[in-house]
Amino acid sequence: NAGVMQNPRHLVRRRGQEARLRCSPMKGHSHVYWYRQLPEEGLKFMVYLQKENIIDESGMPKERFSAEFPKEGPSILRIQQVVRGDSAAYFCASSPATLRYYNEQFFGPGTRLTVL
Amino acid sequence: AQTVTQSQPEMSVQEAETVTLSCTYDTSESNYYLFWYKQPPSRQMILVIRQEAYKQQNATENRFSVNFQKAAKSFSLKISDSQLGDTAMYFCAFMRTQGAQKLVFGQGTRLTINP
Repeated sequence: NAGVMQNPRHLVRRRGQEARLRCSPMKGHSHVYWYRQLPEEGLKFMVYLQKENIIDESGMPKERFSAEFPKEGPSILRIQQVVRGDSAAYFCASSPATLRYYNEQFFGPGTRLTVL
Repeated sequence: AQTVTQSQPEMSVQEAETVTLSCTYDTSESNYYLFWYKQPPSRQMILVIRQEAYKQQNATENRFSVNFQKAAKSFSLKISDSQLGDTAMYFCAFMRTQGAQKLVFGQGTRLTINP
């Protein structure tokens, strides 16, 4: 059972370009979380999605950032018109959908975005 | 809103020594989960240990154990017989049991194990 996959692992963009980060959850997982890690900081929650639904986007910047998790295919985190402050590592985590109180989140290896 | 604080930005010990990393948190919830994650230079997030707030017994996983003080809202990680492979960033994290189960992370402690 492959783990959570993220691509690309490294992404370089110039200011004003668009960045698309992909996350394929573990097989059987229908919940996806995106976190951002700025240099020398902890991870910060951005958005929580289930298939075709955004459940909690309280951590997403109001502008330029969007996320989706379609019925088929990976989850996409999209950053439009990138700025230098968007340079960070972006982590995706997935968990199964169960009725238990706790569902462990399994993390992908992250995408390191560098904005020139 | 929940907050997690790690007051030790960096720590360094000799191999085979015991080291304790501190974490405090703030919440009005009565039931929740607490975690320690390890992030080695590869940047992969690895779950080290988990504690459920309603359990009084401290969690242990081999050389890793926690000291959970619910009233004090303290959750420290003890690493016994430290090894070179324990060198990493360590993050304390909080998760509610109700609603969206997003993780709230502390700022991290950079732990270096010296030979």
